[in-house]
Amino acid sequence: EPEVTQTPSHQVTQMGQEVILRCVPISNHLYFYWYRQILGQKVEFLVSFYNNEISEKSEIFDDQFSVERPDGSNFTLKIRSTKLEDSAMYFCASRTDRGRGQPQHFGDGTRLSIL
Amino acid sequence: AQTVTQSQPEMSVQEAETVTLSCTYDTSENNYYLFWYKQPPSRQMILVIRQEAYKQQNATENRFSVNFQKAAKSFSLKISDSQLGDTAMYFCAFMKEGAQKLVFGQGTRLTINP
Repeated sequence: EPEVTQTPSHQVTQMGQEVILRCVPISNHLYFYWYRQILGQKVEFLVSFYNNEISEKSEIFDDQFSVERPDGSNFTLKIRSTKLEDSAMYFCASRTDRGRGQPQHFGDGTRLSIL
Repeated sequence: AQTVTQSQPEMSVQEAETVTLSCTYDTSENNYYLFWYKQPPSRQMILVIRQEAYKQQNATENRFSVNFQKAAKSFSLKISDSQLGDTAMYFCAFMKEGAQKLVFGQGTRLTINP
């Protein structure tokens, strides 16, 4: 069964550095998402992406965050200048556009640790 | 704004028992979708079951079934004949019709004991 894949599985970065998290969505999916889960807390929506543009974003997704689909297969989340509070598990998800209310399929996540 | 509440932070049952995880939500929408996701220690979020709010029939997937009570805004998950591999964090999630984002509950950590 096709899967969403995320790399790296764990990223350790110094505060203030830029970080790029990578995702390869399921190949025939057209909607892409990033979520994050701070340790011990809820999974929170960050951003959705469709037709090469952001379709919705949360308050968390400020100017320090950006997303890109650079080559038709990868979907990336960039954090420009990381802060300690960016430490979290980041999940990528994708879904098909066929049918209503189709479920989102998640990757294994990238654990981001900011030092 | 929609909210999802899972009132049971942790649950523990013996293998082969039946367990029910509760979920309530708050919305003014009439059309929406509800999901249960499982997150085992391997951490991948796996879809367990999906319910469409405009369908009265409760969704079932093998040993997993839901009790969807639209008026009460309740969406509980029943796991029958529980197995050790069911040990995981379980998240209830809500998505309104036409929306993009999932709204998650806090999760219930379920442990199946041998």
